[in-house]
This record gives sequence, structure tokens and C-alpha cells, in this order.
Amino acid sequence: ETGVTQTPRHLVMGMTNKKSLKCEQHLGHNAMYWYKQSAKKPLELMFVYSLEERVENNSVPSRFSPECPNSSHLFLHLHTLQPEDSALYLCASSPFPAGGADTQYFGPGTRLTVL
Amino acid sequence: TQLLEQSPQFLSIQEGENLTVYCNSSSVFSSLQWYRQEPGEGPVLLVTVVTGGEVKKLKRLTFQFGDARKDSSLHITAAQPGDTGLYLCAGVSGNEKLTFGTGTRLTIIP
Repeated sequence: ETGVTQTPRHLVMGMTNKKSLKCEQHLGHNAMYWYKQSAKKPLELMFVYSLEERVENNSVPSRFSPECPNSSHLFLHLHTLQPEDSALYLCASSPFPAGGADTQYFGPGTRLTVL
Repeated sequence: TQLLEQSPQFLSIQEGENLTVYCNSSSVFSSLQWYRQEPGEGPVLLVTVVTGGEVKKLKRLTFQFGDARKDSSLHITAAQPGDTGLYLCAGVSGNEKLTFGTGTRLTIIP
């Protein structure tokens, strides 16, 4: 596998479920990101990890919980979500610690639907 | 809050035509990136422009950064169906934060 992979590609969950999104990067990068892409809003940065430490949390509700066990893997744990959380969740990585000017490499995303 | 407005929001044209899409802001950016996102995929970086007034060409795509580094345009010559996708601009601010634009969804009709 090369690049950035995300699983699952599609997820449907009820508001009381707990699920996790997984992201893996095979590029040897040091920074990883979670973004939310909704139909009517610009791409929103949710979390940034640099060298496995969270460096940014853009006021994301606590029902989203990120985890970065090592520099290659990033998870987004989901619990008690709301229908408005339905969106495409994109993972990205970049070579150097959390510099916005770096080229970010995106995964294909997980299409999440909350019923 | 920095805002990047892209126009038009939607554009559908015939194969072979030329088009220009715009990315505008009231904020100054240290650099600006353009991405293309195809259905079922994540955004892919096309180009980064850094200097005010800079013009970069990528085959049939021409990118320009405004003199004041607040706006940018993407011109496509002789559009092809493979150009179909969501085009996103993203501005890098002085503190290296990346702000994405609202996007232009382009459809090229064969």
C-alpha cells in the first residue's frame, strides 16, 4: 500500500453507536490531520498531530476523540454523534511537523452517515 | 476568521472550451495552494504559488497569484472530461495555518 489509506470507506451509524475511523500513512511523514468535509461548508480542520502529539484542536465537540498511537496511524473515535455530523472525514499527512505550508497528502475519506 | 470565497460555485461546460475560476479573500496569505478532488477521493495538490503576481503553468492549467497575495485564479484551456472535479484553493497564513476555500465544482461535458 502506498500513500494515505482510510477505513472504512463508508459508515452508517446510529446516534447511540460507538465507532472508530482509521487512517494509515505509508509516506514516513511526521504530521497527521483530521478534516471534516460537509456539502455546504469549506473543508474544516479538526485535529492536528505532530510527532504523535496533538498540537491543535479546533474546538471540536468531545463526541469526536482522536488517537495517534504512532506516526503512521491515526484514529477518530466516534460516540453519540448527531445527524449533522454526517460528512466526509478526510485524513491527511505531511512531511514535517504541522506546517500549513507543507504539502498535505490526503486519504480517500470515510463517508459517514449518522441516522 | 479568514475566508476564501471561490467562484463560481458550480460550472458546467463543453469539452474544448476555456474557463477561469476564482479564489478571493480580504486576507493576505504567504502562499496559496490549489487542489483538485475527484469523486470518491481526497484532494490532490496541483500547485503552490508564493510570490505576488506569480504565474505557474501545469500543462493546460494556468495559476496566478494576485499582486496583493489576497486572490488567485485558475484558467483551464481546452477543457477535457478528465478535468472534472472539485477545485479547492487553500491559503497559508503567516502562522502557517491552512484555510480552505468554498470550492468550485467543475463538470466537463464530452
